[in-house]
Amino acid sequence: ETGVTQTPRHLVMGMTNKKSLKCEQHLGHNAMYWYKQSAKKPLELMFVYSLEERVENNSVPSRFSPECPNSSHLVLHLHTLQPEDSALYLCASSQETGEGYGYTFGSGTRLTVV
Amino acid sequence: GQNIDQPTEMTATEGAIVQINCTYQTSGFNGLFWYQQHAGEAPTFLSYNVLDGLEEKGRFSSFLSRSKGYSYLLLKELQMKDSASYLCAVKDSNYQLIWGAGTKLIIKP
Repeated sequence: ETGVTQTPRHLVMGMTNKKSLKCEQHLGHNAMYWYKQSAKKPLELMFVYSLEERVENNSVPSRFSPECPNSSHLVLHLHTLQPEDSALYLCASSQETGEGYGYTFGSGTRLTVV
Repeated sequence: GQNIDQPTEMTATEGAIVQINCTYQTSGFNGLFWYQQHAGEAPTFLSYNVLDGLEEKGRFSSFLSRSKGYSYLLLKELQMKDSASYLCAVKDSNYQLIWGAGTKLIIKP
């Protein structure tokens, strides 16, 4: 396995469900990110983890709860979501000090809240 | 506030050349990136500019003018597989990536 792997690829959940999105990076990077991508909108940064510590939380509702078990894994716990939370959720990683190479993204989880 | 502007959608013909523009207003500048994203797939890195000028990589080139807050991505000899969204992003003074909404490029035969 190489790059950044996200599971599941697609998820349909009801507003009262609890689910988790998972991300694993095989690149030896030390920073990981959760992004939300909605149609025709810029990528929205949700959370940043650097060296397994959360360094940024961009005013994300508490119904999204991140977890970083180790430097290679990132989890996004979801509970009592709203229909407007339906979007593509992308995980990315970077070598934080590696200027010039940007982020490597996973293929995303397409989330539909019904 | 910080802002990245790029056209929402562009159409071009197979074999032709297309230029996708990006203008930015950010707090600081630590490089500009272009990513390609096919529908339902991960954004993938195309190019990086930190100094003014043109960077060429095969059929794709990227240009930067820091004084004008402007970049463009030039795609030559367009192929059908180039149909995708192209995302412009700038690293600000905190080294955080600020993203544009993307330009959807449609290639017609």
